[in-house]
Formats: sequence, structure tokens, C-alpha cells
Amino acid sequence: DAGVIQSPRHEVTEMGQEVTLRCKPISGHNSLFWYRQTMMRGLELLIYFNNNVPIDDSGMPEDRFSAKMPNASFSTLKIQPSEPRDSAVYFCASSFQESDTQYFGPGTRLTVL
Amino acid sequence: GQQLNQSPQSMFIQEGEDVSMNCTSSSIFNTWLWYKQEPGEGPVLLIALYKAGELTSNGRLTAQFGITRKDSFLNISASIPSDVGIYFCAGDVTSGTYKYIFGTGTRLKVLA
Repeated sequence: DAGVIQSPRHEVTEMGQEVTLRCKPISGHNSLFWYRQTMMRGLELLIYFNNNVPIDDSGMPEDRFSAKMPNASFSTLKIQPSEPRDSAVYFCASSFQESDTQYFGPGTRLTVL
Repeated sequence: GQQLNQSPQSMFIQEGEDVSMNCTSSSIFNTWLWYKQEPGEGPVLLIALYKAGELTSNGRLTAQFGITRKDSFLNISASIPSDVGIYFCAGDVTSGTYKYIFGTGTRLKVLA
């Protein structure tokens, strides 16, 4: 069975550009989580959805970040405009229910020049 | 805010040796999770602990939920080269939502 799918795997962009990261959760999973991983701050939860509805976005760093989940099989994390300090690995994870084991995707490595 | 201190930061061990790492928190947690992350991949759940004092094994891995609910330990017995990776602990934020904070990780290298 396919796991969590993220695209692109690598993204290099220039400061000020819009970046869109994509995630396809495991089929049948009802909860989806976006994380950011950096050397300085480790792994941080940005936002999570349950049944396509955002439940907690308190980890979203600022208004430049937005996330959507238009349906059960797709979510996006958008950064507009991007800044060098946004450089990190962004992970998407999904779980059957909120309290269940989270399965992580392979991540998107974002570099903002 | 809540913080998770994980130690050691890194370990270099010989194949066959046992490994111990731990996490401590400034706050009480209801759940402790241990993950392993390999290069270029996302974290994979190894063990989940839900009750103070709980001791759980998964093959050569054993983890314990501390009695004070502020700490947890992960032990790996008879390490092998494929144990290489970064091990993270995570604890739940007791705010009614299913949020976890992660430790800074223990980087394990096994020398054959």
C-alpha cells in the first residue's frame, strides 16, 4: 500500500516567491498533520486537520503560511512570500483518527535563497 | 512553554553493544512516543507508551514511561548497523488536541 505521498521532494526558490507543498495522505485516514523540521528548532507541528477541517493552526509561524485540505485525499501548505528562514524539511503525516499512530511522508526539503 | 530535553545528543557505539537514551520534560505528559528517522525519510513510530510506569518492548527495543510522567527511556539491545539513525521522543501537549512536541533527537551511529 502507498504511504503518505509528498511533492516535490526538493524545492529551491528565491526569496519572495510563492511556494506550494503538496501532500496525499494514506487512503482512509481522517487526520492530516503538517510539520517543519530544522536543526535549530527540531520537529514542530504547524497545523493539523481532522475530516478536512483545520483543528489547530497555532503552530503556523505567521500569515505568510497557509494550509488547505479541499478533500480527504489532498492537502497543500503554501508560503507566500517565502523567506530564507523558511528553509527546512516539511513533513506531512496522516493517521486514521486524531489519536492514532501518525505515518509520516518522506518530506519536502525547501531551500529559499 | 513545554520543553523536551533528550540525551545524549549523539552516540557512537560498537555493533553488539546496548544503547540507552532518555527524554525529560518540564511538564507532565499523558503519552510518550519514540520515533526513528533515517536519512531522507520521515520519522517512523517505534513504541508508544500511555501509562505511567509502563514498560513496552518491540523486538530489541524497550521503552519505559517514567513514574513521574516527566520522563521516558529507550533502550536498544545488541545494536546492529541498521539501527543507525536519529531517535526522537515525543510527548503530548495536554490541551485537548492531539498535538505532540518532539525532543531534539539522539543521533546513533553503529560501528561494525
